[in-house]
Amino acid sequence: GNSVTQMEGPVTLSEEAFLTINCTYTATGYPSLFWYVQYPGEGLQLLLKATKADDKGSNKGFEATYRKETTSFHLEKGSVQVSDSAVYFCALTKANQAGTALIFGKGTTLSVSS
Amino acid sequence: GAVVSQHPSRVICKSGTSVKIECRSLDFQATTMFWYRQFPKKSLMLMATSNEGSKATYEQGVEKDKFLINHASLTLSTLTVTSAHPEDSSFYICSARVTGLANTGELFFGEGSRLTVL
Repeated sequence: GNSVTQMEGPVTLSEEAFLTINCTYTATGYPSLFWYVQYPGEGLQLLLKATKADDKGSNKGFEATYRKETTSFHLEKGSVQVSDSAVYFCALTKANQAGTALIFGKGTTLSVSS
Repeated sequence: GAVVSQHPSRVICKSGTSVKIECRSLDFQATTMFWYRQFPKKSLMLMATSNEGSKATYEQGVEKDKFLINHASLTLSTLTVTSAHPEDSSFYICSARVTGLANTGELFFGEGSRLTVL
């Protein structure tokens, strides 16, 4: 079945540093890929998504590109802020169908200090 | 945006009792909802898929008699943890897909319910 592997962290950065959180996946067919973020004390929120190969999802300065050749969907941000401190989850659709559940990676905790 | 609400946000119960958690889609209809369990090291485990008007589909290893799911309307799904034990203590999260929108797979999540079984 489909699965996701992401670096577990924690990742500790200074403000304005460059961020990369790696995510690779195993899937049959062409799943949709997502990054969700969970801020302290809050529920999961969609950060960005990509539904087909070579698509780039972007939001709030974060980007990730759907790379079918490397089965990856790495999250990047050029300059992190303290407010970006959160847990980041990579996810993909469970099966080929977009309407199915999402399978999540184990989450990566990001801590940004000023 | 689409809002999913869970209630209660925190519940403490005695071992052997049952606890019901509600998940509501506030401003949209959700034919399908999903229940997840979040473990201490943050990983999210899919427990079951809840479909309105039909039986839930449980993931392998999840006891359907232990975790009863009912999806009686297009805006409400409930998870009942029956005869709860301390090992059931966890953070339970529901999510929903907006019925009728382009099928991109995006889910909207509730804020979770923290269950503590004494």
